Amino acid sequence: EEQLVESGGGLIQPGGSLRLSCTASGFSFSDYWMQWVRQVPGKGLMWVSHIKSDGSNTRYADAVKGRFIISGDSAKNTVYLQMNSLRVEDTAVYYCAIGGGWLINHWGQGTLVTVSS
Amino acid sequence: ENVLTQSPGTLSLSPGERGTLSCRASQSVGKDYLAWFQQKPGQAPRLLIYDASSRATGIPDRFSGSGSGTDFTLTISRLEPEDFAVYYCQQYATSPQTFGQGTKVEI
Repeated sequence: EEQLVESGGGLIQPGGSLRLSCTASGFSFSDYWMQWVRQVPGKGLMWVSHIKSDGSNTRYADAVKGRFIISGDSAKNTVYLQMNSLRVEDTAVYYCAIGGGWLINHWGQGTLVTVSS
Repeated sequence: ENVLTQSPGTLSLSPGERGTLSCRASQSVGKDYLAWFQQKPGQAPRLLIYDASSRATGIPDRFSGSGSGTDFTLTISRLEPEDFAVYYCQQYATSPQTFGQGTKVEI
């Protein structure tokens, strides 16, 4: 069964750090990209970052550049999103997603990150 | 970045009716790398259409996509009760990948 399982969300104070994890299983992509997309509750979708399966290529949205770091462990089929210097406006559901290229074929169920004092 | 604008913001229809959703890009979308996603409350989005007009696995044929360049359309030929949801377009040709703001299809 194809599955993406996210973890690591929670409540954090402004300025704090949090690391999200996402593990993929059951997918048959030989070469894939893993992505993070976030959604403020009740609002639209915003792409955050992506990484190629071999870790050779990473990109970030301007809103998180310099604060968030995406990394991957191909042996574990896991991608991480290290979020530093968190702001109230980073509060959102963070979805992990995967695809054969930049297209998103599958989504995880999401993990809620709340930045509040 | 390539800004996607969806219209209308809300589409009020009845089951059995035809729904037409629009997505306009501020720049041409290379290779027509445009996707449509459906999202229901409390759920993750689901891929419906990719490459502007190809249906994803398991998607009913009442969903169809068309368009190229800067103008794209998602058509739902006959709305079923389970189709009432929010629909997003997304371009994945250039970074940053961008989403439209969504169209809510309501009864």
